[in-house]
Amino acid sequence: EAGVTQFPSHSVIEKGQTVTLRCDPISGHDNLYWYRRVMGKEIKFLLHFVKESKQDESGMPNNRFLAERTGGTYSTLKVQPAELEDSGVYFCASSQGVTVGEKLFFGSGTQLSVL
Amino acid sequence: AQSVTQLDSQVPVFEEAPVELRCNYSSSVSVYLFWYVQYPNQGLQLLLKYLSGSTLVESINGFEAEFNKSQTSFHLRKPSVHISDTAEYFCAVSDPNTGNQFYFGTGTSLTVIP
Repeated sequence: EAGVTQFPSHSVIEKGQTVTLRCDPISGHDNLYWYRRVMGKEIKFLLHFVKESKQDESGMPNNRFLAERTGGTYSTLKVQPAELEDSGVYFCASSQGVTVGEKLFFGSGTQLSVL
Repeated sequence: AQSVTQLDSQVPVFEEAPVELRCNYSSSVSVYLFWYVQYPNQGLQLLLKYLSGSTLVESINGFEAEFNKSQTSFHLRKPSVHISDTAEYFCAVSDPNTGNQFYFGTGTSLTVIP
């Protein structure tokens, strides 16, 4: 069974450019989460999809970030325009249900560097 | 809101020595507690979790953690570490009232020295 995959693994862009990160969850997992870790800090929640609907987007930092999950399969996270403080590792995770305490399956992350 | 504190950002330890990675959380309500591990170039993996019942929980690779409600701690321990335990370890909590939103600590990088 394939795990959660994220693409690209690394991205280096200049301030003001646009970047799109992609996440393919485990097949059959309705729940998809985006997290971000800024260097040396904690991993922070960004948002949660249930199928194609945004269940909770309270962690999205500002309107330069746009997440989509068309068709309830893969998800994209677009940053436009990117700023220096957007640098960090973006993790995607998925789970089958929403039972509290249910295990999340994480991807290996996308390292984003904004110069 | 919940918060998680991992005071030790880096922990070097010799092979076969014991280790303890500290985790404290702040919460006025009951929470669920987790340890995730990230090996180099891999995603985070669940190591162990406490939801209810026995306050001592164990993983399949010899780690254990004890939930201490009075001290709001969930420290991770292993009596004898291996080289393969070198990884970054994240403590996390989730609030039963907010579904599966996790609050993570800043992580502890464990380096096992041969």
